[in-house]
Amino acid sequence: EADIYQTPRYLVIGTGKKITLECSQTMGHDKMYWYQQDPGMELHLIHYSYGVNSTEKGDLSSESTVSRIRTEHFPLTLESARPSHTSQYLCASSEWGAGVATEQFFGPGTRLTVL
Amino acid sequence: ILNVEQSPQSLHVQEGDSTNFTCSFPSSNFYALHWYRWETAKSPEALFVMTLNGDEKKKGRISATLNTKEGYSYLYIKGSQPEDSATYLCAFFYSGTYKYIFGTGTRLKVLA
Repeated sequence: EADIYQTPRYLVIGTGKKITLECSQTMGHDKMYWYQQDPGMELHLIHYSYGVNSTEKGDLSSESTVSRIRTEHFPLTLESARPSHTSQYLCASSEWGAGVATEQFFGPGTRLTVL
Repeated sequence: ILNVEQSPQSLHVQEGDSTNFTCSFPSSNFYALHWYRWETAKSPEALFVMTLNGDEKKKGRISATLNTKEGYSYLYIKGSQPEDSATYLCAFFYSGTYKYIFGTGTRLKVLA
């Protein structure tokens, strides 16, 4: 079982609230990712990190921000939630071993509903 | 924008049937192709990591092949069982980045 955790698992909030989705992994992986998935759609990369103090935006435009102050922790923040942010958010991590892109390990996801 | 396509989008098979799915990806800048199984109420789990043209991987009744020159991978399930019911995702990892591009997945339902 993968050692990657996300909290909360479910969240219902009102428009305009600031929220932080937590993601932690205990595998010591350098690479961490945030994906957004709407029902029936593919996983879209919204943020990723090569390591501590490095973050990049993904291919899907997102109003969220991330930080990577510690290897194990990669939180995602929405400063002002809107109904369009309603989605499932998945966190993942991987390592780079011998020049090979090893498998990603996924957290259980956070299902966010913004009213 | 790079595109990864999977087909079919969904299918239903009878228990014991064999089935296969396709993942199509850009043939340039290839680095790796991953297959994941995503069961309802669980997280995606890796099935295979494939890196070389002609790669064939096998895990029990599930196997996969890779053709990087023409940009496709096949996933095969032999003798499908109800517990194989899941969404199967492929992810393309292209050189020069640390990013994965996922396909929309194939939703498999195995009927007992």
